[in-house]
Amino acid sequence: AQSVAQPEDQVNVAEGNPLTVKCTYSVSGNPYLFWYVQYPNRGLQFLLKYITGDNLVKGSYGFEAEFNKSQTSFHLKKPSALVSDSALYFCAVRDMLWSNDMRFGAGTRLTVKP
Amino acid sequence: DAGVTQSPTHLIKTRGQQVTLRCSPKSGHDTVSWYQQALGQGPQFIFQYYEEEERQRGNFPDRFSGHQFPNYSSELNVNALWLGDSALYLCASSSEGQGPANTEAFFGQGTRLTVV
Repeated sequence: AQSVAQPEDQVNVAEGNPLTVKCTYSVSGNPYLFWYVQYPNRGLQFLLKYITGDNLVKGSYGFEAEFNKSQTSFHLKKPSALVSDSALYFCAVRDMLWSNDMRFGAGTRLTVKP
Repeated sequence: DAGVTQSPTHLIKTRGQQVTLRCSPKSGHDTVSWYQQALGQGPQFIFQYYEEEERQRGNFPDRFSGHQFPNYSSELNVNALWLGDSALYLCASSSEGQGPANTEAFFGQGTRLTVV
């Protein structure tokens, strides 16, 4: 069965600094990887996905993620953090291309301080 | 273009009662999945509906059931509510027939269920 791990419950960065939110995954087949963001009392908003192709994936709001097969990682990055990026971030993985059975990590709370 | 809509937004029920939550998928989407997100946790997959049938199910008891209608909207029913069923219930829609480039799921705002 597929699973993801987000090793950090909380990440704190200063505005303007680069940010990284970590994610590692485990699947038996090919991984299909996603990042979502959740603001308070809201649903999840899609940021980006990796299906195949370039290991560096660019997404919404200036976020990007790097797929690393050898390290089974899919870390979320942004070159310059904004206070408005403060939210809960979830990594998710699918083992089957045609499945909606996404397995989510426990989430990482990102706080960007002015 | 309306996204995924869920109703109601908040709900309070008593232990032992039954509840029905509703979801309308994003326009053009034919697949609906339901997730339970307990406080401080990531979403947990409940089940998925496609072509009006339950196609996949997560590790949830039979008290959790669902339905998909011909217009692709969906309902989640929970019987004999427990205190532990208190959570944010999220509906996600996607389009299974449009290939791997469109595999991301779009989520609704969720229904906050409180069981007392």
